[in-house]
Amino acid sequence: DQQVKQNSPSLSVQEGRISILNCDYTNSMFDYFLWYKKYPAEGPTFLISISSIKDKNEDGRFTVFLNKSAKHLSLHIVPSQPGDSAVYFCAASAGYGNKLVFGAGTILRVKS
Amino acid sequence: DTAVSQTPKYLVTQMGNDKSIKCEQNLGHDTMYWYKQDSKKFLKIMFSYNNKELIINETVPNRFSPKSPDKAHLNLHINSLELGDSAVYFCASSQGTPMGNEQFFGPGTRLTVL
Repeated sequence: DQQVKQNSPSLSVQEGRISILNCDYTNSMFDYFLWYKKYPAEGPTFLISISSIKDKNEDGRFTVFLNKSAKHLSLHIVPSQPGDSAVYFCAASAGYGNKLVFGAGTILRVKS
Repeated sequence: DTAVSQTPKYLVTQMGNDKSIKCEQNLGHDTMYWYKQDSKKFLKIMFSYNNKELIINETVPNRFSPKSPDKAHLNLHINSLELGDSAVYFCASSQGTPMGNEQFFGPGTRLTVL
């Protein structure tokens, strides 16, 4: 039972353009969401998070949007850079401090 | 200085063997975790310890036994290894009680069981 789904296994974007990574969840108890970025042969690193009391959180080039009614969140990267090429994992928890449930990841390739 | 380190990075072993993976964090965090990334690439939590106490124990075979000698270390011992145990195992840590969401991950240990 995949409670967090990233339906696009991969995404290819031109440098300088916007990258949009999507994530859907099924558990209505989830109220805290995170994005992690992972390079090959490294562990995931925390990127940005959002609580369900917000619908947007921005940090530099990275913005996460949350649509609670659709149980959908997205990560926007603007402008995309070649160094952004990595696997991006969406994660969710039911309450801050509870266990994280991860999606399967989306491979982002930014072409120069 | 590596924040969360794991050893070994690669582990190749035969079915039936017993092996251990070590994890250390120098971030001063209270909580540590073990995750398994399977062939479908999902990261699934296996265990979590807060201040050396077990707080999460997912449905994991009891061949897997975590051990936390102190809050900076969380080792994973696996008995009677099976083919299905082949995966990448990640250790992580976070600050917060009982858990913090912003977890810091180690580089992973790729376990291959032949």
